[in-house]
Amino acid sequence: EAQVTQNPRYLITVTGKKLTVTCSQNMNHEYMSWYRQDPGLGLRQIYYSMNVEVTDKGDVPEGYKVSRKEKRNFPLILESPSPNQTSLYFCASSLGAGVMNTEAFFGQGTRLTVV
Amino acid sequence: GENVEQHPSTLSVQEGDSAVIKCTYSDSASNYFPWYKQELGKRPQLIIDIRSNVGEKKDQRIAVTLNKTAKHFSLHITETQPEDSAVYFCAPAGGGYNKLIFGAGTRLAVHP
Repeated sequence: EAQVTQNPRYLITVTGKKLTVTCSQNMNHEYMSWYRQDPGLGLRQIYYSMNVEVTDKGDVPEGYKVSRKEKRNFPLILESPSPNQTSLYFCASSLGAGVMNTEAFFGQGTRLTVV
Repeated sequence: GENVEQHPSTLSVQEGDSAVIKCTYSDSASNYFPWYKQELGKRPQLIIDIRSNVGEKKDQRIAVTLNKTAKHFSLHITETQPEDSAVYFCAPAGGGYNKLIFGAGTRLAVHP
């Protein structure tokens, strides 16, 4: 079954404790991205990756890191989480971007609370 | 970068009525125009999309229309049902930007 898998689904952590949210897709998609969703603000892109070893900032990258060592995986890293990073996070993948843009497939979401 | 605006931000209709949500964008090179539906507690999922060489596309009760000259496209839902209640997002793309920008969303409530 074609899918995007995120883990964990729920996470409560303390300020400053490094954490990683994993994202994996089995559709051989080139483009992967991370979003945060906050009430009234829609889906805001944090980082995206056009392909292996190619990553770039989205609209709200501060406080986040990503890596793309393999095509299928795109983890989101919070080196020193702060309470303003409390949010619902989605990973998404699609065949391509720009002129290759197609449907985006989303993971189940990760609800992160930083206390 | 691409500027995307959705209107209205909330929409309340009676069951059976029609609903229309509009998305305006700034990048004239955009060529892919999708609409996503997000039900409460779930992930966004594509419900309909259109490419720039087509003016309208229909799938049962939902349709998308595109006006490339005016740089907007709209989602039309006819004979609305309570299960249409959700947040709807547009995400025009395919132009010169690799960022995928979503509109702020429209919360649709369909009352029985």
